[in-house]
Amino acid sequence: GAVVSQHPSWVICKSGTSVKIECRSLDFQATTMFWYRQFPKQSLMLMATSNEGSKATYEQGVEKDKFLINHASLTLSTLTVTSAHPEDSSFYICSARERLAGEPDTQYFGPGTRLTVL
Amino acid sequence: RKEVEQDPGPFNVPEGATVAFNCTYSNSASQSFFWYRQDCRKEPKLLMSVYSSGNEDGRFTAQLNRASQYISLLIRDSKLSDSATYLCVVRDYGQNFVFGPGTRLSVLP
Repeated sequence: GAVVSQHPSWVICKSGTSVKIECRSLDFQATTMFWYRQFPKQSLMLMATSNEGSKATYEQGVEKDKFLINHASLTLSTLTVTSAHPEDSSFYICSARERLAGEPDTQYFGPGTRLTVL
Repeated sequence: RKEVEQDPGPFNVPEGATVAFNCTYSNSASQSFFWYRQDCRKEPKLLMSVYSSGNEDGRFTAQLNRASQYISLLIRDSKLSDSATYLCVVRDYGQNFVFGPGTRLSVLP
């Protein structure tokens, strides 16, 4: 399957700082990438859909000014958690959609970034 | 009602057992269906897509019943390495993937 990387894999930061997470599709071009958040023992919750060259679409309840998304190229999307607080501590996972002729769209996930805000 | 619902689990089964996972979805316009597995503290990985005619991949068999809006996954001859959380995923007419809450499986020696 397709490969998606994420960086960093984990980060610990102080409350009030901003953290940038990168998501890259390594062997395919992804016009659409997705950002999810997963709290312990819960399922993935979609935060936003990132479209290359346009503004991200945020899910209800997700603050777009707090979670800044940039999708400047077909292989890179970034999520910046601004002024992070302890309640933002979570597992952030990106995915990229691969479209193959004759196959259902498939999402491939990055390895995730574990954010801990002290 | 949640968009995608799954057996609450967890399932604890002995090695070699057959285990079935059930999933229902609420949006009749859903287009594509998948099973993902997620290991603890890892990202979800695609296990298999689910086709209308049903499909099999080794020990894994997936079925789809559009009329009942029901999806299933059967694992035969379960292995210790099958222990994970199994996520039912549905794509709606747009581009969003909706994840079920997952069912945790523990295969015991």
